[in-house]
Parts: sequence; C-alpha cells; structure tokens
Amino acid sequence: DAEITQSPRHKITETGRQVTLACHQTWNHNNMFWYRQDLGHGLRLIHYSYGVQDTNKGEVSDGYSVSRSNTEDLPLTLESAASSQTSVYFCASSDPGTGVTEAFFGQGTRLTVV
Amino acid sequence: QKEVEQNSGPLSVPEGAIASLNCTYSDRGSQSFFWYRQYSGKSPELIMSIYSNGDKEDGRFTAQLNKASQYVSLLIRDSQPSDSATYLCAVIQYGNKLVFGAGTILRVKS
Repeated sequence: DAEITQSPRHKITETGRQVTLACHQTWNHNNMFWYRQDLGHGLRLIHYSYGVQDTNKGEVSDGYSVSRSNTEDLPLTLESAASSQTSVYFCASSDPGTGVTEAFFGQGTRLTVV
Repeated sequence: QKEVEQNSGPLSVPEGAIASLNCTYSDRGSQSFFWYRQYSGKSPELIMSIYSNGDKEDGRFTAQLNKASQYVSLLIRDSQPSDSATYLCAVIQYGNKLVFGAGTILRVKS
C-alpha cells in the first residue's frame, strides 16, 4: 500500500546540533508539507513544496530548511537546534492536481532538544 | 488575525448529544475545507471534506460551509465517548497552501 513515513519517530538532540527529519511518501503526490504541533497551537506550517525543486516558507520557518530533489522525499533540517524547537513534527502530502485535495499524514516525529 | 480560528475548548457534551464545532477563516480565496480528528499521540485523520456552500452529511457527521461568512462547522450527532478527541479545521488557501486551526478539544461524557 502507498504510504507516508517519517523517521526517526523519536529523537533527542543537543542544542546547536544540526538535525534532519526524513519524510518519504510513495503516492507520488506533488504537494508535501511540514508542520510542528505544540500544545495550544495546533498544526503550524513550517515549509511546503509543490514539486521537485520547489520550496516555500510557512508561518514558522525560521531555523528550518527543506529541499525537494525528488517527488518522494522532503527532508526537514534544523540548522542549529534550539530548545524552542522541541515539538512533534508532522509531514503530510496531497495532490490537488489529481483530485487528492485532502492531506495524508505521517506518524509524526517527537523531537526533544536538550 | 489568525488564518484559521477555532475555539480551543474543551467542549463537553453528554453521550448521545449533538456536538457542534466551529471554525472561521480569513482568506476569501479559500476553496477547500476539511475537518480532521486527532487522538492523543496520533496523527490527524480526515473525517470530512467540503468544497461548496451548504451541508454535507456522512453518517453521524455533517459539515456546513458558508463562504460569504467565511465559516465552517462540524456537527456530530449521537456523540459517543470514542468521539473524544481534538478536531482540527483545515483550509486550502489560494495557491494550495494547507493551513490548520489550533483545534477544539471535544469530550463526550458517558
């Protein structure tokens, strides 16, 4: 079955380290999104992509970067991890161009920055 | 002003009652609207989508959309304890950006 997977599921890192969270989808969806979820804030958009080589900043993009070199993957990099980036991160994909307007989510990555 | 606004709750309803969840959005160019349910520690899962003004029913769930008022709602009939979760309103804004509200916590008391 087609799916969207995130790795790792849990990560503890130290302040100042670079961290990369992986997101891989097998639906061949063009749109991919990264969100962070914190208590009281719902899902806040970090970065999104509409296709290969396309990336866009969301509302909370400072300190994060993404790159889209193929359709299947959108890795999220924290350049220099900060305690404020402790959160649960969700990746999602959709493809409105083929009628798949709803977003499908990965299982999430719980990141702790100490 | 937040792009998508929801009352954070918690909204408490007795088992068997109707739960009413509301959402407003700011981008008049928005075209697609969704309700996701999220259980604690889990990923959001889609329960309803709506694209045109009016009501859309699916089982115990009814989504209502009023584009003129920029308002989306979700009604859950015959609420069950298993409906206790956080409900997230999501909107595809002009340009295909998918934006979520902060979510409403629903508690169904048995």
